[in-house]
Amino acid sequence: DVKVTQSSRYLVKRTGEKVFLECVQDMDHENMFWYRQDPGLGLRLIYFSYDVKMKEKGDIPEGYSVSREKKERFSLILESASTNQTSMYLCASSFQNLASTDTQYFGPGTRLTVL
Amino acid sequence: SQQGEEDPQALSIQEGENATMNCSYKTSINNLQWYRQNSGRGLVHLILIRSNEREKHSGRLRVTLDTSKKSSSLLITASRAADTASYFCATEGGSRLTFGEGTQLTVNP
Repeated sequence: DVKVTQSSRYLVKRTGEKVFLECVQDMDHENMFWYRQDPGLGLRLIYFSYDVKMKEKGDIPEGYSVSREKKERFSLILESASTNQTSMYLCASSFQNLASTDTQYFGPGTRLTVL
Repeated sequence: SQQGEEDPQALSIQEGENATMNCSYKTSINNLQWYRQNSGRGLVHLILIRSNEREKHSGRLRVTLDTSKKSSSLLITASRAADTASYFCATEGGSRLTFGEGTQLTVNP
């Protein structure tokens, strides 16, 4: 079975702190994604990556950056956390499929609270 | 804007009843996927239906796709309390998925 793990289930940080959210997948997937989920807004794509050291902006990249130094690991970085970044963060991965968009496998999520 | 939109936003039924959720989308797709999310957890893939398919079954799940109407439905038959969750449709936008806001299904024992 595909396994996607996220470093923390719950995280509390203070405004202005630098925050790292880590995601690791064990299925040799090329694609990895970071979403945030908020009530009434659904899932919104922050950043995604098709390969090592490669990244693409999603719909809401402002205030975030990402790092993909190894194929299995995709990190989301909040350079200076703000209260409006309090949210559930979901990581996902999938195979590269040039013909169509493949199934995404999700981690359990990290609920981040910024005080 | 969201590509996929689910309807209804919330659905409450009794155990044993069937639950139907609908999804509408705007642009042409190669496939449409349905996911489930238990409260406070990640999403789990349920079923994928390709644009050349009209209906697909998986256990108690039945998914239909009408590309002329740009809509899909997810039917859960003989629902159980454990089916209580949010259900999302996901459509393609380029090389990525776009999720709707989901239908919250509550199955009362």
